[in-house]
Amino acid sequence: SQQGEEDPQALSIQEGENATMNCSYKTSINNLQWYRQNSGRGLVHLILIRSNEREKHSGRLRVTLDTSKKSSSLLITASRAADTASYFCAGHGTGGFKTIFGAGTRLFVKA
Amino acid sequence: EPEVTQTPSHQVTQMGQEVILRCVPISNHLYFYWYRQILGQKVEFLVSFYNNEISEKSEIFDDQFSVERPDGSNFTLKIRSTKLEDSAMYFCATTGGSFQPQHFGDGTRLSIL
Repeated sequence: SQQGEEDPQALSIQEGENATMNCSYKTSINNLQWYRQNSGRGLVHLILIRSNEREKHSGRLRVTLDTSKKSSSLLITASRAADTASYFCAGHGTGGFKTIFGAGTRLFVKA
Repeated sequence: EPEVTQTPSHQVTQMGQEVILRCVPISNHLYFYWYRQILGQKVEFLVSFYNNEISEKSEIFDDQFSVERPDGSNFTLKIRSTKLEDSAMYFCATTGGSFQPQHFGDGTRLSIL
């Protein structure tokens, strides 16, 4: 299976704290993407990291990728209540078409 | 910002009936995807579509399912003879390049009774 797995499954933090979510995958990827999903809505793309990159930043987001361990992490710094959502990693296979999503981490940021 | 539009937002259908879910991609996008998300579970890849044909499909995408782009704009997912377990959110996603971020619609909630 190419399934990705995230941990933790759920994370509850106070506003202002950092949130770290981890993702592992099983097969070769061209890139790994992180998405956010608010309840009942579609997924919103956050950041894409290519297989030849190790770290990427976008605003309060920092993503790392370790292809030797087939793992990635998403760090959200200085969290806000509005960051409350589910976060998914998605590995885009080298074949170019199939994207496999992990089970997601539900983040709850308390004001 | 351009959006992916899905209709209907909610579809309620009797078991055994056929349903067609519709998606209007972002206009210059060439790659199209359908995903399924059963309530509270992860997003599951169903199928990708490029150059008017299926490029890849998952084990879920069996003979019950079909996709097409009938008029060059809409991208549809047809589910024949629906089952109770087809109840889920169905998301369409599109992208301009095969290795680029995907843009998702807000989904169609399909309820099979």
